[in-house]
Amino acid sequence: GQNIDQPTEMTATEGAIVQINCTYQTSGFNGLFWYQQHAGEAPTFLSYNVLDGLEEKGRFSSFLSRSKGYSYLLLKELQMKDSASYLCALMDSNYQLIWGAGTKLIIKP
Amino acid sequence: IAGITQAPTSQILAAGRRMTLRCTQDMRHNAMYWYRQDLGLGLRLIHYSNTAGTTGKGEVPDGYSVSRANTDDFPLTLASAVPSQTSVYFCASSAQAGSTDTQYFGPGTRLTVL
Repeated sequence: GQNIDQPTEMTATEGAIVQINCTYQTSGFNGLFWYQQHAGEAPTFLSYNVLDGLEEKGRFSSFLSRSKGYSYLLLKELQMKDSASYLCALMDSNYQLIWGAGTKLIIKP
Repeated sequence: IAGITQAPTSQILAAGRRMTLRCTQDMRHNAMYWYRQDLGLGLRLIHYSNTAGTTGKGEVPDGYSVSRANTDDFPLTLASAVPSQTSVYFCASSAQAGSTDTQYFGPGTRLTVL
């Protein structure tokens, strides 16, 4: 079966850097997605990794290690608007998304 | 419109009543999905449709049905609502099924079953 783990909640300071980890076990893998979800809103796409390594997109970067079943989302120069939940989702062998429960990120001034 | 719309935004429903949640997309995406989101749990797939005229069951299909008469619309029906179906429901779409295409989400419907 599949399993995805990510921390329930994290707190960080405005202007700092935060790393949100995601570990997974799966028998089939077609990539890993990160989404951002503000309270009361829809999830919105942030990044997709299918190969090992780091993908950088402005203040956000995502890393994948397939051999370790591990990914992280790195947020730099944190802003108050980055307060949201961050959802990790793996795409299984049937191209269906399996979702983690999400990490609620709280940014303090 | 741009993207996906859902209706209603929220609804309070008596147990045993029938309810249809509407979802419409204007991106001409082939694949559409219905998820529910509950506190402390990840999004869970209810039903999906790879293309107009076809549907499939996801992880938690019991108590729900869907239809896909055309490309744009993908309604979700609760035949006889129960309190455990209280949740936030999200509709999503992607360009092609069976691919790594990004899924785009509608704004959600908050449903309370009493």
